[in-house]
Amino acid sequence: GESVGLHLPTLSVQEGDNSIINCAYSNSASDYFIWYKQESGKGPQFIIDIRSNMDKRQGQRVTVLLNKTVKHLSLQIAATQPGDSAVYFCAENSGGSNYKLTFGKGTLLTVNP
Amino acid sequence: SQTIHQWPATLVQPVGSPLSLECTVEGTSNPNLYWYRQAAGRGLQLLFYSVGIGQISSEVPQNLSASRPQDRQFILSSKKLLLSDSGFYLCAWSIGNEQFFGPGTRLTVL
Repeated sequence: GESVGLHLPTLSVQEGDNSIINCAYSNSASDYFIWYKQESGKGPQFIIDIRSNMDKRQGQRVTVLLNKTVKHLSLQIAATQPGDSAVYFCAENSGGSNYKLTFGKGTLLTVNP
Repeated sequence: SQTIHQWPATLVQPVGSPLSLECTVEGTSNPNLYWYRQAAGRGLQLLFYSVGIGQISSEVPQNLSASRPQDRQFILSSKKLLLSDSGFYLCAWSIGNEQFFGPGTRLTVL
């Protein structure tokens, strides 16, 4: 069936480096994508979103890239900080009025000081 | 501003006991509401969602049920807990595409 998945389950980076977290999706009907950050023991927090009519969107220190040709989504974090250490999930909305999201498995980002 | 509450924060229950987890949302009207379960080190599995009072859709067959007695209240229940019901339960709300999550309830079934 349709699914959202991640290429890398874990990512370890040095403080100050840039981080790139990848996500593959298979539902070509998906028109909205979100990245969430989940710290240990807490609920997921919204980071950034992008609609399918865009290929790039920037926020504060974060950029999301969408490549619809290969159904690939990525989250770039600039100048990664220890506070960025968390699990990052991508999620897709394949449409419909109930706004259901399908979540990927998550990538654990560890930032080393 | 909108806020979402879940309680209890943690819960330890014996196998076979009942369960009731509550979620309430403030600062919004007629939201879509969701219950997710997250096993340790895993992604989020959608259990139930609701588009209005008394309207519940189940995503996966399981030992749990959900109810929405009021517009901003969503309850997750079980008559008899199983070991496999252990996990981190998250409630979320949405008006549009973006979903906002509560702090979660850590359930351990022994």
